Amino acid sequence: EDKVVQSPLSLVVHEGDTVTLNCSYEVTNFRSLLWYKQEKKAPTFLFMLTSSGIEKKSGRLSSILDKKELFSILNITATQTGDSAIYLCAVDSSRTGNQFYFGTGTSLTVIP
Amino acid sequence: GAVVSQHPSRVICKSGTSVKIECRSLDFQATTMFWYRQFPKQSLMLMATSNEGSKATYEQGVEKDKFLINHASLTLSTLTVTSAHPEDSSFYICSAQRGDWYNEQFFGPGTRLTVL
Repeated sequence: EDKVVQSPLSLVVHEGDTVTLNCSYEVTNFRSLLWYKQEKKAPTFLFMLTSSGIEKKSGRLSSILDKKELFSILNITATQTGDSAIYLCAVDSSRTGNQFYFGTGTSLTVIP
Repeated sequence: GAVVSQHPSRVICKSGTSVKIECRSLDFQATTMFWYRQFPKQSLMLMATSNEGSKATYEQGVEKDKFLINHASLTLSTLTVTSAHPEDSSFYICSAQRGDWYNEQFFGPGTRLTVL
């Protein structure tokens, strides 16, 4: 059975801390892994990863994929209160058309 | 960019009534649209995959007679929650896939349904 697991489920940190969010997956016909940030409404796209070992970076956020060990991490450095959100990991599989398998999500709270 | 809208953004209805939620791709044609449901503090749960001009494919455990999906055109999909009950209260999000970006989905802003 295809599955995507994120850890931790929730995290509380202080402003300025660095956090690492994990996403592991078991999906047949893997095509890509995507990270989203969700605040009050729909998720907003952060990164799409298709190749192992290539870090994608956007400001204080970065992400990398390991296709051998079947996981990805999302790093956030110098966290700010505006980073408080649910971070979702989704895996795109070609097995069943173009469905995304979403992980459980990690709820991040950054306190001042 | 690719913009997806949902209407209404929020709806409150009485138990037993039906509610229709629209999902539109505003500046592109969506070959496939997806409907998700999200409970508070939980992840997105895929309900069904909707292809224009054909019947929707429902995920296991989702009642197709209760959640009617129609994808009448390449820019519009609708989800109708029939005979709504309080346990149907949830956040419903659609996403649309553009033909040339096969692995990117563009999400609508979501619809908050509350059934009294």
